[in-house]
Amino acid sequence: AQSVAQPEDQVNVAEGNPLTVKCTYSVSGNPYLFWYVQYPNRGLQFLLKYITGDNLVKGSYGFEAEFNKSQTSFHLKKPSALVSDSALYFCALYSSASKIIFGSGTRLSIRP
Amino acid sequence: DAGITQSPRHKVTETGTPVTLRCHQTENHRYMYWYRQDPGHGLRLIHYSYGVKDTDKGEVSDGYSVSRSKTEDFLLTLESATSSQTSVYFCAIDGGQGGYEQYFGPGTRLTVT
Repeated sequence: AQSVAQPEDQVNVAEGNPLTVKCTYSVSGNPYLFWYVQYPNRGLQFLLKYITGDNLVKGSYGFEAEFNKSQTSFHLKKPSALVSDSALYFCALYSSASKIIFGSGTRLSIRP
Repeated sequence: DAGITQSPRHKVTETGTPVTLRCHQTENHRYMYWYRQDPGHGLRLIHYSYGVKDTDKGEVSDGYSVSRSKTEDFLLTLESATSSQTSVYFCAIDGGQGGYEQYFGPGTRLTVT
């Protein structure tokens, strides 16, 4: 069965420090993976995707994600966190028939 | 929000009343989706559409119906609202040509009292 997991409900980082939000997946075949961000009272915004190619994917707002097939992971990263990065982050996995499976979300809190 | 609007944005209704939420897109994309978001559950797919009059169930479809009579509009109906349907509802569209991602509307906060 296909699934995606975000093992941390909350991640706390000081402003200026690097951040990582973790995601692991389970799928037969090649995975198509995504990261979304949700700010309070807003819809989900697409950040980046991995379909094929380079394992390091760059996205919006300075975020990047590293695909690791051997560890079945797709962690979201940013070299230097901003307070404005505080939000809810979702990892997602393309399923069949144009459907996407979402993780349960990780709340990222950046302290000044 | 990628040319997607939802109406209403907020609604309070009583148990047992029918409710219809509307999603409108200006992108002319084929697929449209309805999700609900609840704490601890992430987003769960209710129904989706792959064309005019073509719809299918998602993982939490009980108590919901949908209709799509035009490419741009996708309606979600709660025939008889229950308190368990209190949630935030999001509409999404597919990523367009070659795009596997989805793009989301701003959401509708529904409270069933």
